[in-house]
Amino acid sequence: DIQMTQSPSTLSASVGDRVTITCRASQSISSWLAWYQQKPGKAPNLLIYKASSLESGVPSRFSGSGSGTEFTLTISSLQPDDFATYYCQQYKTFPYTFGQGTKLEIK
Amino acid sequence: EVQLVESGGGLFQPGGSLRLSCAASGFTFSTYWMSWVRQAPGKGLQWVASIKQDGSEKYYVDSVKGRFTISRDNAKNSLYLQMNSLRAEDTAVYYCARWWHDAGFDYWGQGTLVTVSS
Repeated sequence: DIQMTQSPSTLSASVGDRVTITCRASQSISSWLAWYQQKPGKAPNLLIYKASSLESGVPSRFSGSGSGTEFTLTISSLQPDDFATYYCQQYKTFPYTFGQGTKLEIK
Repeated sequence: EVQLVESGGGLFQPGGSLRLSCAASGFTFSTYWMSWVRQAPGKGLQWVASIKQDGSEKYYVDSVKGRFTISRDNAKNSLYLQMNSLRAEDTAVYYCARWWHDAGFDYWGQGTLVTVSS
């Protein structure tokens, strides 16, 4: 199985900050990577697919990059609504696997 | 509007069985892969199973193989997860999710909580 490792596990930041979350795959997944945002008690929401494509309706302050084994999710200027938990997910092969999550907290 | 509505969760005993259902609307159900994803309390997301549009291909995470069965009824726009030989570690919120072609899970249900405990 392909293991997905996110860092950091927790990130404290302020409104207006630029933040980056990293996701590493245990083997190459080309660009078959998605990012999700999840708020407490809610289902996840797709943000980015194919590593760098912005899902329709997602604000342009979110961006993704990377290929192979290393990927990043960047939020260019944090807004109050962005404080949530973020997950990466590989879909190169079954079993699909998620990273353990990065909780973005208000500093 | 795309909607996915899960049902069937509750409190179940170890070794027991249940069937989760997911009613889909607002899109052509028969043209999408569908999946179940779960989240144990306070934990991260875990993909559980996926099924092809016509039901001809099914995939499972190792921890549920031989115990869970994913199925669908395209005439009823419904997805199912038959869960047998339940274990405490199956306790989780179970989400039904639509797989958008080579792009990710683009729509999710609200989730249904399954608790396995004696």
